[in-house]
Parts: sequence; C-alpha cells; structure tokens
Amino acid sequence: SYELTQPPSVSVSPGQTARITCSGDTLPKQYTYWYQQKPGQTPLLLIYKDTKRPSGIPERMSASTSGTTVTLTISGVQVEDEADYYCQSADSTSAYWVFGGGTKLTVL
Amino acid sequence: QGQLVESGGGPVKSGGSLRLSCAASGFDFSDSYMTWVRQAPGKGLEWVSYMSSTGIYTNYADSVKGRFTISRDNAKMTLYLQMNSLRADDTAFYYCARADSSTGMLDHWGRGSLVTVSS
Repeated sequence: SYELTQPPSVSVSPGQTARITCSGDTLPKQYTYWYQQKPGQTPLLLIYKDTKRPSGIPERMSASTSGTTVTLTISGVQVEDEADYYCQSADSTSAYWVFGGGTKLTVL
Repeated sequence: QGQLVESGGGPVKSGGSLRLSCAASGFDFSDSYMTWVRQAPGKGLEWVSYMSSTGIYTNYADSVKGRFTISRDNAKMTLYLQMNSLRADDTAFYYCARADSSTGMLDHWGRGSLVTVSS
C-alpha cells in the first residue's frame, strides 16, 4: 500500500524555524495537503494544493516541494504551534487517499 | 460557516455492526466529496473511505474494504458509514470531513464519534 513518510518528531526553540518533511513516490504527481492537530482538537487545514494557504492561516506557515519530498516550514515558531502535523495526498494508481504518520512538533 | 456533526458511535462487541451518521450544514453538501477519517487513541490519522458528490465514486482503505460501506443522502445532507464485522483494531474516533470540489482540501471536519470494539 502507498505510504507517506514523516519524521516522528521535530523540536525547535521559540522563534526558530521548524521544517517537517513528507516523502512519497507519487508526490510529484499528486497534490499534498497539510493539517495541524492540537491535543483534543480536530485537524485544521494549513496548506492545500502543495503550497497554498487558506484564509486565516498565518504567513509563517509555508510549504515547498522538491521531487518526492514536500516540506512544511514554520517560521518564527511560537509555543502555540506545538501540535501534531500530518501531510495528506493520494495514490495515483488506486486513488486511495493517504495520511503521513504525523510529526509531533515540540517547542522547547 | 460549515458544520459537520457525527453520531452513532459507542461500544460494540467484536464481529458486531454500527452505523455512523454525519449531519452537514452551512455548505453545499450535494456538491462536495465527503470522507471518513479515523484516529485510534494516541495514534495518527487514517483515511477510511470517500464518496463523490453524487455517490457514483467510492473508495475504501484496504483495512476496511468489504466490511465498511459509505453512503449519503443529499436531500438530508447526511453522510453514513455502515461498519460490519468490527474488530478491535477498528477502535477509533471517526471523523467525517468535506473535500472541497475544486481544491480537494479537507476544509470542514466534524468533532468525531468514538467507536470502541471489545472482544
């Protein structure tokens, strides 16, 4: 089955830049989406169609793509950014949707 | 502002069945792909199934194929998930979400309904 690979955890200090990667073979051919989930809350859309930000999401949340890897970048990390982050895409062959395993961002 | 409210979860014995419902409001339900996503306690998100706006297209994760059935009633603005032959590893919060038809983004999520399968 198709998989998206994320690092289990990323740690940064407040004010630094956090980068969370997501790797998958079909990412060059399928859009990637990013979601933030804080404890006890439902997922929140951060990025759609690889690099676009919905209204209300701060500019310090951005994303980029390079081959089979997409990267979510959070600039000027704040304590409130501590959460789980998930990438999501689709398998070109089966049309299955898939989530990455999630990355826990810890703000030290 | 769109809203999704799931219901129908609860405890069930292994091998049993449950039907989840997801009531939508505040957006054009009949023009939206809808999906179910689940999350086992303390674990990550897992896509379960999606259905196209008219119900013509459906797809299921391998882990639920043949046991779960997604359906919708556009007149009632409600999405369903019939879950049969439930197993302990189906225990999870089940979220319904809307996929925007032009962007594919999951921009509306329900608060989830907990399904607990015991052996």
